[in-house]
Amino acid sequence: QVQLQESGPGLVKPSETLSLNCTVSGGSMRSHYWSWIRQTPGKGLEWIGYVFYSGTTNYNPSLKSRVTMSIDTSKNQFSLKLTSLTSADAAVYYCARGNTDFVYWGQGTLVTVSS
Amino acid sequence: QSALTQPASVSGSPGQSITISCTGTSSDVGGYNLVSWYQQYPGKAPKVILYEGNKRPSGVSYRFSASKSGNTASLTISGLQADDEAEYYCCSYVNTNTLIFGGGTKVTVL
Repeated sequence: QVQLQESGPGLVKPSETLSLNCTVSGGSMRSHYWSWIRQTPGKGLEWIGYVFYSGTTNYNPSLKSRVTMSIDTSKNQFSLKLTSLTSADAAVYYCARGNTDFVYWGQGTLVTVSS
Repeated sequence: QSALTQPASVSGSPGQSITISCTGTSSDVGGYNLVSWYQQYPGKAPKVILYEGNKRPSGVSYRFSASKSGNTASLTISGLQADDEAEYYCCSYVNTNTLIFGGGTKVTVL
């Protein structure tokens, strides 16, 4: 059974960079897309983007200027970096497998933006 | 890029059928057979219940079905049960090679 687990700081200061990792177990990362999705009470679910196992990326245009995703298949991990954080970026961040639909999700990690 | 439009809430009695709509445009819902539906309980990650239109992952009840007409996709829950009470989200591929979610619908079992 494929399992995903997000890790990273739960508290980030405004204007700083959020860095999250997602560790994949129970399956290969090869030939799959790996996505980040976030959820806020006000805006619901928002697709952030994906990274393919080869390293190809695709980002939500609304976040593209601040997002970088990468993958390390040797560590069974992929990552998200989001720069210049504001209070609007406070959310539960999920990692998931897929690019058009998502069968496997992490449990989510709550990110608070505060000084 | 605005979220797909879903009703904020839908309710029904046990055993009844309810339908949740998800309205987009010809650039997303209407243009592709790539709408997926998710069920989410409070504090939990979303769970896919239907994808690529009406494909059902293993283990998902046949009481869940999907359809589409023009730019509107619909999720029908038949034989409503107490544990169907949850938030439901639709999601669609967009012609800009991105994805967009609906705003979510809270289902209440009366």
